[in-house]
Amino acid sequence: GNSVTQMEGPVTLSEEAFLTINCTYTATGYPSLFWYVQYPGEGLQLLLKATKADDKGSNKGFEATYRKETTSFHLEKGSVQVSDSAVYFCALSGNAGGTSYGKLTFGQGTILTVHP
Amino acid sequence: DAGVIQSPRHEVTEMGQEVTLRCKPISGHDYLFWYRQTMMRGLELLIYFNNNVPIDDSGMPEDRFSAKMPNASFSTLKIQPSEPRDSAVYFCASSSFSGEPYEQYFGPGTRLTVT
Repeated sequence: GNSVTQMEGPVTLSEEAFLTINCTYTATGYPSLFWYVQYPGEGLQLLLKATKADDKGSNKGFEATYRKETTSFHLEKGSVQVSDSAVYFCALSGNAGGTSYGKLTFGQGTILTVHP
Repeated sequence: DAGVIQSPRHEVTEMGQEVTLRCKPISGHDYLFWYRQTMMRGLELLIYFNNNVPIDDSGMPEDRFSAKMPNASFSTLKIQPSEPRDSAVYFCASSSFSGEPYEQYFGPGTRLTVT
């Protein structure tokens, strides 16, 4: 079955530091890949996505590239801010026509704390 | 547009009581998902619906949990009887496959505490 593995957290950084959160996946077929973010006290919201190999998703200074050869989708940001403190979830889609079509498989989440 | 609406936002109940969580998806969305989030188990998909029909309920932990979607604008998740281990944040999410597939819109969650 499909699965997503994220790097162990929590991650603590100083403002303006470089961020990488690793994500690897196992899936059949050609899933789409996503990063969702959860701010304190809120539900998850989509941060970025990539739908095919070598696609780069980007939003709010965050980037992630769909690497099929390494089955990875690592999240990066060049200079984090205090306001980026949140929980980040990597996810992949079910396959069209498969039994899991329509649903996302989420990783366990990585807590990011950014200090001034 | 209003987002996904969940009620109540907080629920405190005693063990053995029935609990009903409610969700109103975004108008026009044809998929609805119920998730549970805890520190120990992370985010778990409990059940999801397509056009009001349950598609996959394999994540429902046991018979004490049930979910219904009587129409396109309303869904409930019921726990009867509740137990302390059910304490968690329960999220409802919806999506539209005629729009951006797999972009799920989450509600603010219901924080359930069972004492």
